[in-house]
Amino acid sequence: QQQVKQSPQSLIVQKGGIPIINCAYENTAFDYFPWYQQFPGKGPALLIAIRPDVSEKKEGRFTISFNKSAKQFSLHIMDSQPGDSATYFCAASLGSARQLTFGSGTQLTVLP
Amino acid sequence: NAGVTQTPKFQVLKTGQSMTLQCAQDMNHEYMSWYRQDPGMGLRLIHYSVGAGITDQGEVPNGYNVSRSTTEDFPLRLLSAAPSQTSVYFCASSRGGKGYEQYFGPGTRLTVT
Repeated sequence: QQQVKQSPQSLIVQKGGIPIINCAYENTAFDYFPWYQQFPGKGPALLIAIRPDVSEKKEGRFTISFNKSAKQFSLHIMDSQPGDSATYFCAASLGSARQLTFGSGTQLTVLP
Repeated sequence: NAGVTQTPKFQVLKTGQSMTLQCAQDMNHEYMSWYRQDPGMGLRLIHYSVGAGITDQGEVPNGYNVSRSTTEDFPLRLLSAAPSQTSVYFCASSRGGKGYEQYFGPGTRLTVT
């Protein structure tokens, strides 16, 4: 079964800190690795995505680091703000329809 | 653009009842999907469609049916509701070739008693 394992389950940081969320995958056929952000009562929204031939991608304060040999990737949030408090999901896509397999989610709380 | 819309927002069913969750998108996206979200389990794919008239099963399809007669609509049918189907259901759409970039609706919270 295709799996994406995500840790930690929850994370609390102070404002300005750099929370790091980690994911590991098994299927080397996955071809895109997006991260989604979800606020309470809302649907997930795409935050940033990376291809497996790229080791790092930055968009604003969000950075994905990708280690193909270890089959791991992580999300770093620079200068975190209370407004970043949300649940974050890593995912992996596969196939022509690029269907997504999601990690279990990380609930991030950024304290003011 | 309204994006992806879902109705109803909340629903309570009794075991054995059937119902249809509605999903519509106005972005002319080829791909549409249904996920369920349960605590500690992320989102799991139920069914998906790559175009009108074409559907396929995801990871957890049992107990659910879908059809796609138009590009815009992708309803999810619960045939005989069970308490294990208590969940939050999300519909999503994406452009062809960019399935990793999915646009999600606001969700339907379903409780089966």
